[in-house]
Amino acid sequence: AQSVTQPDIHITVSEGASLELRCNYSYGATPYLFWYVQSPGQGLQLLLKYFSGDTLVQGIKGFEAEFKRSQSSFNLRKPSVQWSDAAEYFCAVGAVGGGGSNYKLTFGKGTLLTVNP
Amino acid sequence: TAGITQAPTSQILAAGRSMTLRCTQDMRHNAMYWYRQDLGLGLRLIHYSNTAGTTGKGEVPDGYSVSRANTDDFPLTLASAVPSQTSVYFCASRGHSNTGELFFGEGSRLTVL
Repeated sequence: AQSVTQPDIHITVSEGASLELRCNYSYGATPYLFWYVQSPGQGLQLLLKYFSGDTLVQGIKGFEAEFKRSQSSFNLRKPSVQWSDAAEYFCAVGAVGGGGSNYKLTFGKGTLLTVNP
Repeated sequence: TAGITQAPTSQILAAGRSMTLRCTQDMRHNAMYWYRQDLGLGLRLIHYSNTAGTTGKGEVPDGYSVSRANTDDFPLTLASAVPSQTSVYFCASRGHSNTGELFFGEGSRLTVL
């Protein structure tokens, strides 16, 4: 079964600073990898995804993530954070389970991002 | 486009009462999912359905049941609610592409007293 670890529960950065949110996964093969963002009281919005090809993927709102197979990581980055980026960020891994027909998306516990003006 | 619609948006329920959270999608997606979100625990899968007529258990299925009579609807039922079921519930569906992403509803906040 797959699992996801987000080591940082809460991160605070200043507006304009760079950002990196960490994500490590556990799965026997290359899974589908995702980053979602959730603003307070809202649903989840997909930032970006990786399933094959170029290991550096670009997403919406200026975010990017890099898949590193050797480190089982899929860290999210942004060169210059804006105040509007304050939200909770979830890394997720998608994989097919037993029997080959049960696709499931497993989430990390989330990283809350606070942005100081 | 509506995407995924969940109802109710918010509900307060007395312990021991039953409750059905509704989820409807208009994207004709085959696979649908119910997650609960709790502070510090992220989202955990309750039940899923790969296609109409089939359902399966996720990580935290106890106390919940689902049905999938047709492609569009995937209701979640709490037969006898307990306070530990206080949570925000998200319904999701999986797109037709091979990229595996899920599309989420806006959530239903349930408080069991």
